[in-house]
Amino acid sequence: AQKITQTQPGMFVQEKEAVTLDCTYDTSDQSYGLFWYKQPSSGEMIFLIYQGSYDEQNATEGRYSLNFQKARKSTNLVISASQLGDSAMYFCAMSLDRGSTLGRLYFGRGTQLTVWP
Amino acid sequence: DVKVTQSSRYLVKRTGEKVFLECVQDMDHENMFWYRQDPGLGLRLIYFSYDVKMKEKGDIPEGYSVSREKKERFSLILESASTNQTSMYLCASLPSGTYTGELFFGEGSRLTVL
Repeated sequence: AQKITQTQPGMFVQEKEAVTLDCTYDTSDQSYGLFWYKQPSSGEMIFLIYQGSYDEQNATEGRYSLNFQKARKSTNLVISASQLGDSAMYFCAMSLDRGSTLGRLYFGRGTQLTVWP
Repeated sequence: DVKVTQSSRYLVKRTGEKVFLECVQDMDHENMFWYRQDPGLGLRLIYFSYDVKMKEKGDIPEGYSVSREKKERFSLILESASTNQTSMYLCASLPSGTYTGELFFGEGSRLTVL
């Protein structure tokens, strides 16, 4: 069974500081994808960043980057230079690269990030 | 931009009522999904569909059914709503041939069953 664990229910960070959100995963598959989504209070899920299990480089997208450690099965999200608008719930998710199951994501419980001035 | 539209943002229904949650996407995506979101549990997959008239069960299909008569529309049906189905429901779509499997989500439908 696939499992995603986010151990931080809530995190606080001051504006302009960096913050790391933790995520570990468990799967016996060798080929998989890892995602982070942001959910503001409005409810919409916003895709942030993706890492494939065979990607050798850590993924980066603007202020978002991943600290992907395959051997430890962790994919931590790093947000640099936090902004007030980053306050939201953040979800880590995984999909298995089995063709027909693409899009079938397994989600963690989420981390509520609060950025204070 | 991909647009996934869920017909109702907020619904209040009574126990035993039949409930329809509608989802429409405008980007000709083959794949559509219904997730349920509960505090402390994250998102869980209810049903998904890879083509018109095709459906597959996700992780928590009990108490739900779906309909996909047209490519752009994917409906979630609660035949007889119960209070434990009070939740946020999120629809998503995905084009075939995508490499990453990034889902495009709607804004969600918050259902309360009294």
